[in-house]
Amino acid sequence: EDQVTQSPEALRLQEGESSSLNCSYTVSGLRGLFWYRQDPGKGPEFLFTLYSAGEEKEKERLKATLTKKESFLHITAPKPEDSATYLCAVQPSSGSARQLTFGSGTQLTVLP
Amino acid sequence: DTAVSQTPKYLVTQMGNDKSIKCEQNLGHDTMYWYKQDSKKFLKIMFSYNNKELIINETVPNRFSPKSPDKAHLNLHINSLELGDSAVYFCASRGTGNTIYFGEGSWLTVV
Repeated sequence: EDQVTQSPEALRLQEGESSSLNCSYTVSGLRGLFWYRQDPGKGPEFLFTLYSAGEEKEKERLKATLTKKESFLHITAPKPEDSATYLCAVQPSSGSARQLTFGSGTQLTVLP
Repeated sequence: DTAVSQTPKYLVTQMGNDKSIKCEQNLGHDTMYWYKQDSKKFLKIMFSYNNKELIINETVPNRFSPKSPDKAHLNLHINSLELGDSAVYFCASRGTGNTIYFGEGSWLTVV
């Protein structure tokens, strides 16, 4: 069974204090690993897809990296508007439907 | 222009009632989903439709019945609501690269 574990559950940072969020996964062959951002009272918003180990994607202050067992979301010099819950999900390469399995997220708070 | 829209956003109802949540996407996607997010923030797939046909039906009580009148709409009807049905329900559609686009969610509270 596919599993996704995210850590830490919650993270508080001062504005400008860089850090990383972790997403560990087990999947029967990885088709893609997805990162989403979810603001309170909103639906998840797509950030990145990573397909193979060694791949990196960047968007503003966020950089996602992927290994064979985990992914990291690096946040450089965060701002208060980066506060949100960050969700990781994996899609297996086999199976008839290949639906996503989500982690429970990391709740990030960036203090001014 | 909202890409995936669902109504209502908030729903408070009594146990035993029947309720529906409507969803529409204007992205032209063929595949739509219903997800449930529990209090621990886990998102779990409930149903998936491709071009109006059911392709995924996870272990969901048969009190939950999806209906897709066309590929842009996927509604969720829930019969005989129970306290444990309280959750946030997200409609979503799948685009290129298997990216899932979510609606804003429907907060269901059963009292």
